[in-house]
Amino acid sequence: GAVVSQHPSRVICKSGTSVKIECRSLDFQATTMFWYRQFPKQSLMLMATSNEGSKATYEQGVEKDKFLINHASLTLSTLTVTSAHPEDSSFYICSCGQEHQPQHFGDGTRLSIL
Amino acid sequence: GQNIDQPTEMTATEGAIVQINCTYQTSGFNGLFWYQQHAGEAPTFLSYNVLDGLEEKGRFSSFLSRSKGYSYLLLKELQMKDSASYLCAVLDSNYQLIWGAGTKLIIKP
Repeated sequence: GAVVSQHPSRVICKSGTSVKIECRSLDFQATTMFWYRQFPKQSLMLMATSNEGSKATYEQGVEKDKFLINHASLTLSTLTVTSAHPEDSSFYICSCGQEHQPQHFGDGTRLSIL
Repeated sequence: GQNIDQPTEMTATEGAIVQINCTYQTSGFNGLFWYQQHAGEAPTFLSYNVLDGLEEKGRFSSFLSRSKGYSYLLLKELQMKDSASYLCAVLDSNYQLIWGAGTKLIIKP
């Protein structure tokens, strides 16, 4: 069964809308979760590392005020794309895993901003 | 800097064998992963190597040589459903995953 649950799977909304994506670890407590973005025909790009109980660590070039991350519990991390614009349209994927174990990915969220 | 190289695209025939190579240069090494990603879907875990040698799992095998900074994923008895991108990722000394750009594998009948 699924180890990581990501919701919603698809979002279509107007420019300027804020969109929240949830990532839940189902089988274990995840102190760290990762958020990726993937544009068509490109590889995964790490956006940020979500740390339970503390601030997320953002990769260079990723605006922390644009992509708000909250990791309030050991099983839930959320990514909010604030005031989304068409250029934010992408496939967003979360992952988490236990130490020394492979990362398990959520099913991804396809975000389309009109 | 940290770097992972794998071919951009490969083509193979149904029923055949294909080997996808991955070379890496990272700050430390704590294991290498292979993932499969079908278009429009999230990656799924295939294999994990931390010691030198070959790990076999059904039609898929993965090999690692730490001294050479080299791994390959071997797919046997190729099926059309194996058409996907294959991602190589290395866990560095900080336990951060460094991703390759992926190899798109095209299977022809």
